[in-house]
Amino acid sequence: DGGITQSPKYLFRKEGQNVTLSCEQNLNHDAMYWYRQDPGQGLRLIYYSQIVNDFQKGDIAEGYSVSREKKESFPLTVTSAQKNPTAFYLCASTESLASEQFFGPGTRLTVL
Amino acid sequence: AQSVTQLDSQVPVFEEAPVELRCNYSSSVSVYLFWYVQYPNQGLQLLLKYLSGSTLVESINGFEAEFNKSQTSFHLRKPSVHISDTAEYFCAVSGRGSQGNLIFGKGTKLSVKP
Repeated sequence: DGGITQSPKYLFRKEGQNVTLSCEQNLNHDAMYWYRQDPGQGLRLIYYSQIVNDFQKGDIAEGYSVSREKKESFPLTVTSAQKNPTAFYLCASTESLASEQFFGPGTRLTVL
Repeated sequence: AQSVTQLDSQVPVFEEAPVELRCNYSSSVSVYLFWYVQYPNQGLQLLLKYLSGSTLVESINGFEAEFNKSQTSFHLRKPSVHISDTAEYFCAVSGRGSQGNLIFGKGTKLSVKP
């Protein structure tokens, strides 16, 4: 089955630690996205990538970093510079700019 | 730039009653419009989309939405809801000719009561 996988589903981090969230897709989509979801805030774009080895900052990129070394993979690192990282993180991909985005199941990150 | 407003953060409704979830957008260019549904602790699933053509679009589970350009709206409706429709619903917009980035509303929590 084609789709997007995210791991882990739940992640706990101590303050001051970096942590990496995994996102893999086998849909052969060029574009991939990372969103942060907080209660009552909707989804906010962190980073996006439209092609391998290229990515762009979204609206709330501070404290986050990404890489896009392979078409299938778009990992997100939450760094210690992110002051309030506790949130639900969603990865998405799309076939073209004129079609819908497909979402993974999400990773819930909690900072202890 | 685009923006999306979902006017109701929560909508309680009884089973088998009709429901309308409101969505208004603003944009200086033509748009693509989407409704997504999210069940607790899950990702988003596409419910329906408007890209072009008929302004009335339907989903397989009885939802429909109508693109109204003059009122810049894309309200979601269902004539008779079920308990299983309880979820959070997000309206999203993407500007034509943009880089495909979606702008999301803050969501509407639909709660269907027996």
